[in-house]
Amino acid sequence: SQTIHQWPATLVQPVGSPLSLECTVEGTSNPNLYWYRQAAGRGLQLLFYSVGIGQISSEVPQNLSASRPQDRQFILSSKKLLLSDSGFYLCAWREPGRSSGNTIYFGEGSWLTVV
Amino acid sequence: LAKTTQPISMDSYEGQEVNITCSHNNIATNDYITWYQQFPSQGPRFIIQGYKTKVTNEVASLFIPADRKSSTLSLPRVSLSDTAVYYCLVGDGSSNTGKLIFGQGTTLQVKP
Repeated sequence: SQTIHQWPATLVQPVGSPLSLECTVEGTSNPNLYWYRQAAGRGLQLLFYSVGIGQISSEVPQNLSASRPQDRQFILSSKKLLLSDSGFYLCAWREPGRSSGNTIYFGEGSWLTVV
Repeated sequence: LAKTTQPISMDSYEGQEVNITCSHNNIATNDYITWYQQFPSQGPRFIIQGYKTKVTNEVASLFIPADRKSSTLSLPRVSLSDTAVYYCLVGDGSSNTGKLIFGQGTTLQVKP
């Protein structure tokens, strides 16, 4: 069966510090991968998505970036965090191909507090 | 991508049936309609997906009219544990495009 893991689960970082959140998926090949962010009490904001290694589409500008160094690994990074980067970060994956429709699976989430 | 519109919030009581409607007026021919449930501090969880007419599983039903410009998630006999945010997602399911954008969701509060 397929599983998704993301880490760390929680972190507190000072403004201006770097960030690295990692996500891995097991039990599937060439999945679509996603990073979403959710501010407290708000909806899900799509940050990045990837349909293959090295293929990253960005939905937001500013100081976040994503990379997909391996087929089932997705990394969210920042060189300098802002207070507004605080939130709940969710990694997700979807099976390739139309048969899965819009069925995506989320990781456990990472709480980021920028202080 | 089709934009979705849902009520911001709904209240219900235990044991009642709850219907949450989502509008997606510019849904495309190849688009699926998918509903998710999210509890606090957790990722959304798939509930049900459909393309047209009616779909039913062990937890919910999804009603889609012929024009597909809206859909209704039906939760039978809700309990307190159904208090959550419910999202309607519309997209073509194509891995080539990849993009999946969630709407604002509907916060359902179930009262005793």
